[in-house]
Amino acid sequence: AQSVSQHNHHVILSEAASLELGCNYSYGGTVNLFWYVQYPGQHLQLLLKYFSGDPLVKGIKGFEAEFIKSKFSFNLRKPSVQWSDTAEYFCAALSPGNTGKLIFGQGTTLQVKP
Amino acid sequence: EPEVTQTPSHQVTQMGQEVILRCVPISNHLYFYWYRQILGQKVEFLVSFYNNEISEKSEIFDDQFSVERPDGSNFTLKIRSTKLEDSAMYFCASSVRTDTQYFGPGTRLTVL
Repeated sequence: AQSVSQHNHHVILSEAASLELGCNYSYGGTVNLFWYVQYPGQHLQLLLKYFSGDPLVKGIKGFEAEFIKSKFSFNLRKPSVQWSDTAEYFCAALSPGNTGKLIFGQGTTLQVKP
Repeated sequence: EPEVTQTPSHQVTQMGQEVILRCVPISNHLYFYWYRQILGQKVEFLVSFYNNEISEKSEIFDDQFSVERPDGSNFTLKIRSTKLEDSAMYFCASSVRTDTQYFGPGTRLTVL
C-alpha cells in the first residue's frame, strides 16, 4: 500500500534560519504530491503541490519543494523562516485510482523562536 | 475566498450515541471527503463521495459510518453508535476534481 513518511516530528528553529522538512513516499508510479500547513487553531491549508513538469515547485509564503523521483522524496524548504511559520506541516500523496484519497505523513511540528 | 465550513467545532457524546457531523463544502465543488486525526496520529482518509455515491472508503469506514448530501449544500458524516476510539478530529474537504482539496476547520469529537 502507498505510504508517506515525514522524518522530522518536531523541529525548532530560530527566525531567519533555513528550513528543510523531509517527505518520502512509497509509490513508484505517477504521483501527485502536496504540502499542507495547519497554523494553530486553523484548518489545513494548501502550501504547494506537484503534479508534473518542473520538479521544483513554488508555493505560498516563500515555500518551495523539490520532487526527486529517484529518491522518492518531496522535501519542503524555505530559506528564511519567520515566527509566523510556526505550525504543523503535512506532506500528502494522492492515491492512484482517481477517487481523491489523500495519504498523509505523520506531520512535522515547526516551532520558530523569535 | 470561499471556505469549507464545519459544525459543530466540538462535539461531546456518550459512548453508544449517534452523532452527525456537518460540513458545507465550497459551492462549485463536486468531490467531498472526510478524514480524521486521532490525537498524536496521522490524518487518515475515511471516505470520498462523488455524484451522490461513495467512490472509495477506508477500512475504518465500517457499517457504523455513513455519509449523505441531503440537500445539495451540506455533507454529513454520521456515526451510528460511537465508541471511545472514535474520539478524534474529523476534517471535511472538497474539491473541483480529484486533486486539490480544501479542508474545513474540523470537528473535535470526544466520546465519553
